Amino acid sequence: DVKVTQSSRYLVKRTGEKVFLECVQDMDHENMFWYRQDPGLGLRLIYFSYDVKMKEKGDIPEGYSVSREKKERFSLILESASTNQTSMYLCASSPRRGGYNEQFFGPGTRLTVL
Amino acid sequence: EDQVTQSPEALRLQEGESSSLNCSYTVSGLRGLFWYRQDPGKGPEFLFTLYSAGEEKEKERLKATLTKKESFLHITAPKPEDSATYLCAVQVSGGSYIPTFGRGTSLIVHP
Repeated sequence: DVKVTQSSRYLVKRTGEKVFLECVQDMDHENMFWYRQDPGLGLRLIYFSYDVKMKEKGDIPEGYSVSREKKERFSLILESASTNQTSMYLCASSPRRGGYNEQFFGPGTRLTVL
Repeated sequence: EDQVTQSPEALRLQEGESSSLNCSYTVSGLRGLFWYRQDPGKGPEFLFTLYSAGEEKEKERLKATLTKKESFLHITAPKPEDSATYLCAVQVSGGSYIPTFGRGTSLIVHP
């Protein structure tokens, strides 16, 4: 079974703090994704990566950055957390850049910024 | 612009009352349509991939079907443990391989 793990299930941070969310997948998938999910807005793509050290912006990259130094690990960074970044953050992976890409999601990190 | 619309937004059923969830899409060149189940506070769990019109897939009480414009997730004799949000996503040919998600249908099955 594909397993995607996220570093924290719940996180509380203060405005202005730098926040790191980490995601690890154990199935040698090429693609990794970060989404945020808010009530009424659905899943929104923040960033994705199809290879080590490669990254592409999704629909809402402002205020976020990412890092992929190893194939299995994809980090999301909030450089200076703000209250409007309070959300559920979901990491996902999928096998390869082409082909049929069903995604496998982690359990999510519920981030609260005070 | 590619679009994925799910309906209804919310659905309440009695245990054993069969129904269907809809996912309609307006994309140019469907490559694959995916169904996911999401329990409260958890990440989505992959259920099915459908590739072409006329295809059907089943898993326990769930059956997914696909036409050229929409997909249905049929739930037969649901149980309370089927309560969840069901998401669909589409992947198009020849462009970005990133799936586009609908906003989901929240299903509650009462005992």
